[in-house]
Amino acid sequence: DTAVSQTPKYLVTQMGNDKSIKCEQNLGHDTMYWYKQDSKKFLKIMFSYNNKELIINETVPNRFSPKSPDKAHLNLHINSLELGDSAVYFCATQAGTGRDQPQHFGDGTRLSIL
Amino acid sequence: SQQGEEDPQALSIQEGENATMNCSYKTSINNLQWYRQNSGRGLVHLILIRSNEREKHSGRLRVTLDTSKKSSSLLITASRAADTASYFCATGTTNTPLVFGKGTRLSVIA
Repeated sequence: DTAVSQTPKYLVTQMGNDKSIKCEQNLGHDTMYWYKQDSKKFLKIMFSYNNKELIINETVPNRFSPKSPDKAHLNLHINSLELGDSAVYFCATQAGTGRDQPQHFGDGTRLSIL
Repeated sequence: SQQGEEDPQALSIQEGENATMNCSYKTSINNLQWYRQNSGRGLVHLILIRSNEREKHSGRLRVTLDTSKKSSSLLITASRAADTASYFCATGTTNTPLVFGKGTRLSVIA
């Protein structure tokens, strides 16, 4: 069983469209994250949720809206997609809320904007 | 910025050799973590070292931390082709999210 699974794995779409990426975890972890990895492999945190509540919201355009329907899911909805949104988006989970716990990553969603 | 910076950016070695990667950071930290990322995959946690620890081992991995120099190193001994990946350090403090460096791309040639 995959511990952290993301769908879809690949997403190719036109500029201006709205799309969603889904993340599900079966680890029972309290904290979930969304990261963006650009073409130079730089990984930057976007959002953090703990028990369905938003904890961290880094400087991200408000076109990006996370939603956590339950503790095992954290979805990312993106409105009005722009060329600069092309990247790999990773979901990650962590036990507890401390900063000294390892994070578990999904395999990413590769978003390409045409 | 607290961001870690890995050095070198890329490293190519022969199978069986040791690989050493370094990470430097700028602010005080609570812990430092190393992750591996294989091509097309997510990051995998390798090892976590706390600020009051100086060295940690896990199998063929050895991590050191020098808080006075704000630096850490990851040593992979007797490297294998399967170790080919990007390696990232990530620094954590009590109040800020984990911050990742840009990674070192390791190629192990059989």
